[in-house]
Amino acid sequence: AQSVTQPDIHITVSEGASLELRCNYSYGATPYLFWYVQSPGQGLQLLLKYFSGDTLVQGIKGFEAEFKRSQSSFNLRKPSVHWSDAAEYFCAVGAPNDYKLSFGAGTTVTVRA
Amino acid sequence: DAGVIQSPRHEVTEMGQEVTLRCKPISGHDYLFWYRQTMMRGLELLIYFNNNVPIDDSGMPEDRFSAKMPNASFSTLKIQPSEPRDSAVYFCASSWAGSAYNSPLHFGNGTRLTVT
Repeated sequence: AQSVTQPDIHITVSEGASLELRCNYSYGATPYLFWYVQSPGQGLQLLLKYFSGDTLVQGIKGFEAEFKRSQSSFNLRKPSVHWSDAAEYFCAVGAPNDYKLSFGAGTTVTVRA
Repeated sequence: DAGVIQSPRHEVTEMGQEVTLRCKPISGHDYLFWYRQTMMRGLELLIYFNNNVPIDDSGMPEDRFSAKMPNASFSTLKIQPSEPRDSAVYFCASSWAGSAYNSPLHFGNGTRLTVT
C-alpha cells in the first residue's frame, strides 16, 4: 500500500521569501502524486499533479513540484510567497487505476509580514 | 458549476444520537469519496462509490458508520449511535474517471461534527 510522509508539521516564512515543502512517498511503482491546499474552513483544492513525463510540474498560484524517483520525493516550491499562501498543504499519492488517494499529515504554512 | 455541496456545515449532537451527513457531488462525476479529518489521524478515506455502487468501505471505522448513494446526485454518511471520538471534519469529494486517472478530487467544504 502507498503512503506519504510530510516531515514538516509547521513552516513559517516571510512574505516574498521562497517556500519549499517536503513530501516523501512509499510506493512500489511509479505513483500518481498530488499537492492540495486547504484554507481554513474550506475543502482541499488541487494545486498540481504528476502522472508521468516531465518531472517538474507547474500548478496554480505559482507553485511547482519536482518528482525525484531516486529520492521518492515530490517537493512543492514557490519562489515568492504571498500572505494569501498561508494555509495547510497536503501531499497525496495514488496508484494507477486505483481511485483512492493516501494523504500526508499536512504542513501548515504561516506567512509573516 | 456549484462544486461539491455538503450539509450541514456544522453539527453538534449528544452522544448516542444519530447523525446524518449529506453530499451532492458535481454533476457528471461518477466517483464519490467520504473522508474524515482529525488532528490525530489526518485525512482518512472512509468509503468510496463508483456509479453509486460502494467499491471500498475498508476505511469505515465500525458498524456504527454507514454510507449510501441512492442516486448519482446524492450521498449520505450516517453515524448511529454517535460517540465523542467521532468528532471530526467529514469531507465529501467527487471526481470523474474519464479515459484515464487524471481527474482530480473536488472537495466540498466539509461538515464539522462535534459529539458531546
